[in-house]
Amino acid sequence: EVQLVESGGGLVQPGGSLRLSCAASGFTFSSYSMNWVRQAPGKGLEWVSYISSSSSTIYYADSVKGRFTISRDNAKNSLYLQMNSLRAEDTAVYYCARDLASDTACFDYWGQGTLVTVSS
Amino acid sequence: QSVLTQPPSASGTPGQRVTISCSGSSSNIGSNTVNWYQQLPGTAPKLLIYSNNQRPSGVPDRFSGSKSGTSASLAISGLQSEDEADYYCAAWDDSWRNVVFGGGTKLTVL
Repeated sequence: EVQLVESGGGLVQPGGSLRLSCAASGFTFSSYSMNWVRQAPGKGLEWVSYISSSSSTIYYADSVKGRFTISRDNAKNSLYLQMNSLRAEDTAVYYCARDLASDTACFDYWGQGTLVTVSS
Repeated sequence: QSVLTQPPSASGTPGQRVTISCSGSSSNIGSNTVNWYQQLPGTAPKLLIYSNNQRPSGVPDRFSGSKSGTSASLAISGLQSEDEADYYCAAWDDSWRNVVFGGGTKLTVL
């Protein structure tokens, strides 16, 4: 059974940093591209970042470019999101999602999400 | 302001057929496939339709998708109370090199 489990969320002050993790199991993690998608309270879905299976290709939404860094460790079946210079508007539930096929916006499995709250 | 445009709400009575539209441009829907996600209250999104009109295993055939030009639609026939959820369309955008989502449509079963 495919499972994606996010962790690392919490309360952080504006300007602070946080590192999210996503532990994958039930599939060959190294064969799939992965994404982070977020959802602000009461709002819609916003794609955040993409990383290819080998980490050779990475994309970011303009809203996080230069502040967030996506990475993965295929040996540990884990996906990460390093978030720096956090702003109030980064407050959201962050989901990791598996890519069925690259460059298709097709996410066939999602984690349960981890809440990040940026507030003083 | 979302890149893909969806109506904020839709409604129907049990057994009815409802459709939800998703409008984009030549750089996203016009040149790439469309996917639909269902988000039940308090849960993570779930892939409902992929590649414009394909259903993942386990998704009832009451759900169908279509695409024409720069627009796409999700149709739900035989509406059931458990279909009450938020629905999102998504596509890859060649100009932005980004995934773009619609703003979401809240479906109410009356």
